[in-house]
Amino acid sequence: GAGVSQSPSNKVTEKGKDVELRCDPISGHTALYWYRQSLGQGLEFLIYFQGNSAPDKSGLPSDRFSAERTGGSVSTLTIQRTQQEDSAVYLCASSLDSGPARGYTFGSGTRLTVV
Amino acid sequence: GENVEQHPSTLSVQEGDSAVIKCTYSDSASNYFPWYKQELGKGPQLIIDIRSNVGEKKDQRIAVTLNKTAKHFSLHITETQPEDSAVYFCAASKGNSGNTPLVFGKGTRLSVIA
Repeated sequence: GAGVSQSPSNKVTEKGKDVELRCDPISGHTALYWYRQSLGQGLEFLIYFQGNSAPDKSGLPSDRFSAERTGGSVSTLTIQRTQQEDSAVYLCASSLDSGPARGYTFGSGTRLTVV
Repeated sequence: GENVEQHPSTLSVQEGDSAVIKCTYSDSASNYFPWYKQELGKGPQLIIDIRSNVGEKKDQRIAVTLNKTAKHFSLHITETQPEDSAVYFCAASKGNSGNTPLVFGKGTRLSVIA
């Protein structure tokens, strides 16, 4: 597609339930990133997929968080047993993954509210 | 790891005036410094970036300066317009071949008053 697509745009879930957030990156972009943006805060890195390499999971805040990227394209971020502190906007970004560092293209995010 | 500090957290300017946002970074190996603009309900959008081999870059009304010795970089917006109102984020990374995750500042909410 023309841009990074995320779904759903909004998600309200009950505490303790599992949620899945989806990201469809720009076609041909081999790098994919997940960030979390809490109210009034900056963007917190969660996980990074680079081509066929093992993902960089160093930013995941707990073992309740996991992500996968199937076929080098679509990615799903899963949060198990959601807690109220998981409420945030979850942003996905993609970029070309060759040559020098370059900026990302972000999606519009999924706003997650845990009640 | 890298730490990026951004100031101020909020900034109000009169339309037509200039706005300056400053960031510092901690890792001297960082070599790529993008700036993002985030409008309400949207994802951040890249507006300008600078690499460590240059000291300044301009694109119409926006410019970024980099001081590697002091490890700080700044965003300058001249002749501000109401549509410049948004949250601006600075970031840093040290990617060479391929990318490493960007580390972001906490953002600056810019309000341009007509």
